[in-house]
Amino acid sequence: QSVLTQPPSAAGTPGQRVTISCSGSSSNIGSNYVYWYQQLPGTAPKLLIHTNNQRPSGVPDRFSGSKSGASASLAISGLRSEDEGDYFCATWDDSLYVVFGGGTKLTVL
Amino acid sequence: EVQLLESGGGLVQPGGSLRLSCAASGFTFDTYAMSWVRQAPGKGLEWVAAIGGSGHRTYADSVRGRFTIYRDNSKNTLSLEMSSLRAEDTALYFCAKDSGFNFLPDFWGQGTQVTVSS
Repeated sequence: QSVLTQPPSAAGTPGQRVTISCSGSSSNIGSNYVYWYQQLPGTAPKLLIHTNNQRPSGVPDRFSGSKSGASASLAISGLRSEDEGDYFCATWDDSLYVVFGGGTKLTVL
Repeated sequence: EVQLLESGGGLVQPGGSLRLSCAASGFTFDTYAMSWVRQAPGKGLEWVAAIGGSGHRTYADSVRGRFTIYRDNSKNTLSLEMSSLRAEDTALYFCAKDSGFNFLPDFWGQGTQVTVSS
């Protein structure tokens, strides 16, 4: 059971906007930055969003992150078939370790 | 270009030991913390251990006392010494470079598979 809670699945059609939530507590999301990772089938995770809402170079602006209190969310607009994969949120917990969400499997219908 | 290449995975019996290595290149290795993160088959990501540039270590509760993370800055190499291995340690182990914030990664290797089974 993961410290951060994500919905196990999400789905959308091409062009739609999809949002994935990540819920934590005051000791993790509530007091630290949130990161988001994309893991496409058979590949290593890739950093999608850092420090709550910043995109690394090369990540399309279709991907955006936000945080409010002890929750965060990842939004994907203009959904594309190549976005299909798993998405994980992560942050630091003040108990001195990194915590991940359980992951959300995104399906593009 | 950042590159992380893991090696050392394999099949080991319960109670056995294994050492994983990660060869890093494309960045100033000794200025970044590094982590190991694992993924059990069909499961999510689990942070295992991290080490700062100067050697400060931190571990997940599930591996503390059994795993040791260390680094050789002269060889740009990260290692994970695993002992008293259990079936639940079976996973793909990723080496990851720190982003600069609390051991959260910004780049991952492709992983090395560890299978604990008799």
